[in-house]
Amino acid sequence: DTEVTQTPKHLVMGMTNKKSLKCEQHMGHRAMYWYKQKAKKPPELMFVYSYEKLSINESVPSRFSPECPNSSLLNLHLHALQPEDSALYLCASSPTEGLSYGYTFGSGTRLTVV
Amino acid sequence: GQQVMQIPQYQHVQEGEDFTTYCNSSTTLSNIQWYKQRPGGHPVFLIQLVKSGEVKKQKRLTFQFGEAKKNSSLHITATQTTDVGTYFCAGTRTGNQFYFGTGTSLTVIP
Repeated sequence: DTEVTQTPKHLVMGMTNKKSLKCEQHMGHRAMYWYKQKAKKPPELMFVYSYEKLSINESVPSRFSPECPNSSLLNLHLHALQPEDSALYLCASSPTEGLSYGYTFGSGTRLTVV
Repeated sequence: GQQVMQIPQYQHVQEGEDFTTYCNSSTTLSNIQWYKQRPGGHPVFLIQLVKSGEVKKQKRLTFQFGEAKKNSSLHITATQTTDVGTYFCAGTRTGNQFYFGTGTSLTVIP
């Protein structure tokens, strides 16, 4: 299995809703990442988990809450989002955190906040 | 994150023409990676360059890392419609993270 699987593929949520994005990989990768991508822009790093511990938080608002229950799973909990949070949310993984490997990206969750 | 600029932002070419995108940083990069994102798709890793002056080829794609490790280029020979997409470089200056460049969107006209 050489894939990163993200669910759901599309999500529409109201500003008062609570929802979660899920990401799963079975490649034995120990680093997992959340990126946010707006239309016609590059992906922006949000969070990095290394060996299931939060390694980097790129000053992301607290309405985004990451969780890494085990080495294969990564969640992003969403609460009280704003319309400007609408974007493509990408999960990625790599064998370890660091500079030696390319990242494998999932196909993303396209989020619309109404 | 750091700013890694790419030029051009957009490029339209006739099928069969060559294409080059350039990635520039004001500071020395430790490594650089290249990704391709098809319209409506997700980034796909193409290659990583580490050494000063390094050149790598993948079929019609040629990747180069500058001698000063501040710039990189991706050249596609004889473009095909399957080459359509946005090409991102991703570089790191310090720390363990890559930050994506601004991207070059390639359109190939049949």
